[in-house]
Amino acid sequence: EDQVTQSPEALRLQEGESSSLNCSYTVSGLRGLFWYRQDPGKGPEFLFTLYSAGEEKEKERLKATLTKKESFLHITAPKPEDSATYLCAAPFGGGGSNYKLTFGKGTLLTVNP
Amino acid sequence: GAGVSQSPSNKVTEKGKDVELRCDPISGHTALYWYRQSLGQGLEFLIYFQGNSAPDKSGLPSDRFSAERTGGSVSTLTIQRTQQEDSAVYLCASSFTGAQPQHFGDGTRLSIL
Repeated sequence: EDQVTQSPEALRLQEGESSSLNCSYTVSGLRGLFWYRQDPGKGPEFLFTLYSAGEEKEKERLKATLTKKESFLHITAPKPEDSATYLCAAPFGGGGSNYKLTFGKGTLLTVNP
Repeated sequence: GAGVSQSPSNKVTEKGKDVELRCDPISGHTALYWYRQSLGQGLEFLIYFQGNSAPDKSGLPSDRFSAERTGGSVSTLTIQRTQQEDSAVYLCASSFTGAQPQHFGDGTRLSIL
């Protein structure tokens, strides 16, 4: 069964304290690994897509990396405005479909000033 | 430019009533998706529309759920004879094609009394 598992469920950091969020997947024939940010009461906001092991992408204080079994979202010197739920997702289903995303339950990140 | 627009933002209704949720995708996006986000659960894929092709309805949880997309643009998700377990946030997303990152609206929060 295709699954996406995120850890930890919640993470509390002090401003400036770097850390990483984990997303492990058991999706056969990975066709992309997506990271989203979701603020309370809002829809998920697209951050990154990774397609192959070894790939890295960066945006401001965030860097996403991908291995054959998991992805990491590294947060360097976070600020309070980085507080949000971070979601990862991967397409599932056979037939080469790459649009039906299965999402992890997310990591709730809180950055204290 | 304008993002994905959903209405209403909140809907409270009595058990057994029918509800209609509307989604206006980003202009030019041919792919449209509906997801459901329940408390403590990840986003759950419901249905996918791509251009004039037959929709992928494989995620709809029961025959009380249906969706249509008129003119390749606006979509409506209809839930008939609502049940309390239908209470959730219903999110719509769109993308240029089925292979591109999905961009989400802020959802409709549905509460069944």
